[in-house]
Amino acid sequence: NAGVTQTPKFQVLKTGQSMTLQCAQDMNHEYMSWYRQDPGMGLRLIHYSVGAGITDQGEVPNGYNVSRSTTEDFPLRLLSAAPSQTSVYFCASSYSRQGKNYGYTFGSGTRLTVV
Amino acid sequence: GQQVMQIPQYQHVQEGEDFTTYCNSSTTLSNIQWYKQRPGGHPVFLIQLVKSGEVKKQKRLTFQFGEAKKNSSLHITATQTTDVGTYFCAGKGFKTIFGAGTRLFVKA
Repeated sequence: NAGVTQTPKFQVLKTGQSMTLQCAQDMNHEYMSWYRQDPGMGLRLIHYSVGAGITDQGEVPNGYNVSRSTTEDFPLRLLSAAPSQTSVYFCASSYSRQGKNYGYTFGSGTRLTVV
Repeated sequence: GQQVMQIPQYQHVQEGEDFTTYCNSSTTLSNIQWYKQRPGGHPVFLIQLVKSGEVKKQKRLTFQFGEAKKNSSLHITATQTTDVGTYFCAGKGFKTIFGAGTRLFVKA
């Protein structure tokens, strides 16, 4: 199993450009989330999904869109990049079995710089 | 909305000293999770606590969940240089919300 795979690892965008951060997991996890990590602010939830076709907003959703057409993939789209979106982005997945939740498996992250 | 506060923000210890980080939620949590992130790495799941008053140990790490299920702590006994990194708690209510983390520095 590859776990959670994020691409690209690094990206530089110009203000106003759009792009999609890719996230795929091969563990058949139903839960997937996107977090951004900024110095001193921990991990902030952008969007999350509890299953294919179901997504919802997290703490900081503005400027980002997501979709979940399959269990495996959960892409994050930046509509019009802004310098405030410079951050490290993590995708994570988890699952539950018989009413018990399990911890998140994180991808290795995408370091995004918007100039 | 749900908020998870974590203190201290950072701590410097001498190798061999103990370390504790505290986590407090504004709402009652169904469970709490702890993660460790090494510098330059990604968060790695350590443990999950579910029951009120629960205590779990992993070698030198002791995790506690408060009676009211609104606070938690992670205690490391006799820190080692391999313990360096940032420790996050995550409250799993309807959404999984992370605290800001406690960064641990260990001086050999």
